[in-house]
Amino acid sequence: KAGVTQTPRYLIKTRGQQVTLSCSPISGHRSVSWYQQTPGQGLQFLFEYFSETQRNKGNFPGRFSGRQFSNSRSEMNVSTLELGDSALYLCASSLGSSNAGELFFGEGSRLTVL
Amino acid sequence: AQSVTQLGSHVSVSEGALVLLRCNYSSSVPPYLFWYVQYPNQGLQLLLKYTSAATLVKGINGFEAEFKKSETSFHLTKPSAHMSDAAEYFCAVSDANFGNEKLTFGTGTRLTIIP
Repeated sequence: KAGVTQTPRYLIKTRGQQVTLSCSPISGHRSVSWYQQTPGQGLQFLFEYFSETQRNKGNFPGRFSGRQFSNSRSEMNVSTLELGDSALYLCASSLGSSNAGELFFGEGSRLTVL
Repeated sequence: AQSVTQLGSHVSVSEGALVLLRCNYSSSVPPYLFWYVQYPNQGLQLLLKYTSAATLVKGINGFEAEFKKSETSFHLTKPSAHMSDAAEYFCAVSDANFGNEKLTFGTGTRLTIIP
């Protein structure tokens, strides 16, 4: 069974640009969550999608957005990039029902903003 | 709001020694508690979870954790450390509410194994 796949794994952007990150969940998983990991702030919840609907949202500015497609694949977008957006962005999938919190993580997309 | 506090950002133990990583939680509702491990340049992997079925929870790779409500703790232990246990460990909490996948993580504890 294939795991959670995130693309791209590494990317470099400059301030003001925008970026789109992609996540393919484990087959059969309907929930996709996104987390930002930085040395200073640790792991912070961005949002969660279940069956194409945003079910939870963290405390991030509107520049951070996401969506989920009918095949459960998800994308997140960050517009008007700032230096502080440099981070490892982790996607996690789950069944989204009776196994609350049992997440399967991808290896992450490491974003560097110059 | 729920939260977890991990005591000790860095822990070093000798190979073969007991591993003890501390986690205390704060929650206004019965919590679900988790330990995740992150190896270098990888995502997080679930070690074990507590969902109120049993207070002593056994996980993968010989790890276990005990839920102590009176102490609001969920410490992670392993009787004998192995070099392959070197990684960062995260305690996490979520509402005991089906359909809520939001996890609140602690700041992590980096475990170093001394040969």
